[in-house]
Amino acid sequence: DAGITQSPRHKVTETGTPVTLRCHQTENHRYMYWYRQDPGHGLRLIHYSYGVKDTDKGEVSDGYSVSRSKTEDFLLTLESATSSQTSVYFCAIGLGNEQFFGPGTRLTVL
Amino acid sequence: GESVGLHLPTLSVQEGDNSIINCAYSNSASDYFIWYKQESGKGPQFIIDIRSNMDKRQGQRVTVLLNKTVKHLSLQIAATQPGDSAVYFCAENGGYGNNRLAFGKGNQVVVIP
Repeated sequence: DAGITQSPRHKVTETGTPVTLRCHQTENHRYMYWYRQDPGHGLRLIHYSYGVKDTDKGEVSDGYSVSRSKTEDFLLTLESATSSQTSVYFCAIGLGNEQFFGPGTRLTVL
Repeated sequence: GESVGLHLPTLSVQEGDNSIINCAYSNSASDYFIWYKQESGKGPQFIIDIRSNMDKRQGQRVTVLLNKTVKHLSLQIAATQPGDSAVYFCAENGGYGNNRLAFGKGNQVVVIP
């Protein structure tokens, strides 16, 4: 998975609780991305980062925030999880035009 | 790894036959395209890419064709093997900047031994 790890790999939480997903890379790439993948949809971009402390919104950013305090880590936070945020979350790193993906995190919000 | 039961169009192909997977892209500004493969329980994996100044590009057992006139992309897999069973989807850069990509919904390929 091109030196990308995600943690946790599985999480079950309750509505209204905060959740943080972590993406860690060992490739020293500038660009990092968070996606969600749901039935009937392709991968949808939540947020992305183009450098330390430089982030921007994607197409489905509502209810999510991100932080990147160092090159290797990109955190995705659900401040107050909702059932609609039940999904599989993928982190990716960008090299040129290509993106390489982590193994994913399955999040279930009850 | 993780995957999603995506309820996708399914292509069933006999082992050893050739597979063709199609993708219609939407953004005329796109000048770079990628095909990804996603096996069950794993993240998407880069297969092959093509730039808009090309019509065809070949890799190992895979060929990507680009028709910019009708905004259509196809992936051909030669001599399909059981290990090719996966979801395949295309991505385009859409002129978004910051190396962003937009992804298609994908096609499920099932190889019959």
